[in-house]
Amino acid sequence: DAKTTQPPSMDCAEGRAANLPCNHSTISGNEYVYWYRQIHSQGPQYIIHGLKNNETNEMASLIITEDRKSSTLILPHATLRDTAVYYCIAAKYSSASKIIFGSGTRLSIRP
Amino acid sequence: NAGVTQTPKFQVLKTGQSMTLQCAQDMNHNSMYWYRQDPGMGLRLIYYSASEGTTDKGEVPNGYNVSRLNKREFSLRLESAAPSQTSVYFCASSEAGLAGRNEQFFGPGTRLTVL
Repeated sequence: DAKTTQPPSMDCAEGRAANLPCNHSTISGNEYVYWYRQIHSQGPQYIIHGLKNNETNEMASLIITEDRKSSTLILPHATLRDTAVYYCIAAKYSSASKIIFGSGTRLSIRP
Repeated sequence: NAGVTQTPKFQVLKTGQSMTLQCAQDMNHNSMYWYRQDPGMGLRLIYYSASEGTTDKGEVPNGYNVSRLNKREFSLRLESAAPSQTSVYFCASSEAGLAGRNEQFFGPGTRLTVL
């Protein structure tokens, strides 16, 4: 699986869009980009995934560059409840996706 | 649906003791996973089971054994606990879906301290 690189921490004002970057320059053609988050000491929670097209769901949007070497997770209107560690993962899709979590980005939302 | 459940929630062991962490899921998922998370670190995969009857090593399997008892249950055993195994242990399950969707659902974790 390709390695991903994320900034260790970021902050964002409540109500503003939070844009979390991720580099995955060695991603292969059959690897998807997955985003999870971990709030406090809970188990991680799936957010969104994509292959090469931009994706949007009720939680977030995922923008993947045309060369697929980087992506951005967008939380459109950040709230205090979005304070968490966000993990960007590149992994092949299979019946059992071995997810390799890196260190992630610790996002702090300030009131 | 309870989702993924783990027992116990907390455990303190002495060095050399053994114990089994239990995990069960009620979502009829084929795949199950065990992770550990050390303080301030990301999760690391210990073992996983792609389907009932199969298990494979992850990143950090040394010191652990697993059993996929049936489709619902996946246990993690520490035969001789060491202080380096002090960690939070998460179990997860997943089912391959359409268009690459293969989200893993996580349990609440077991907080293990080895003295």
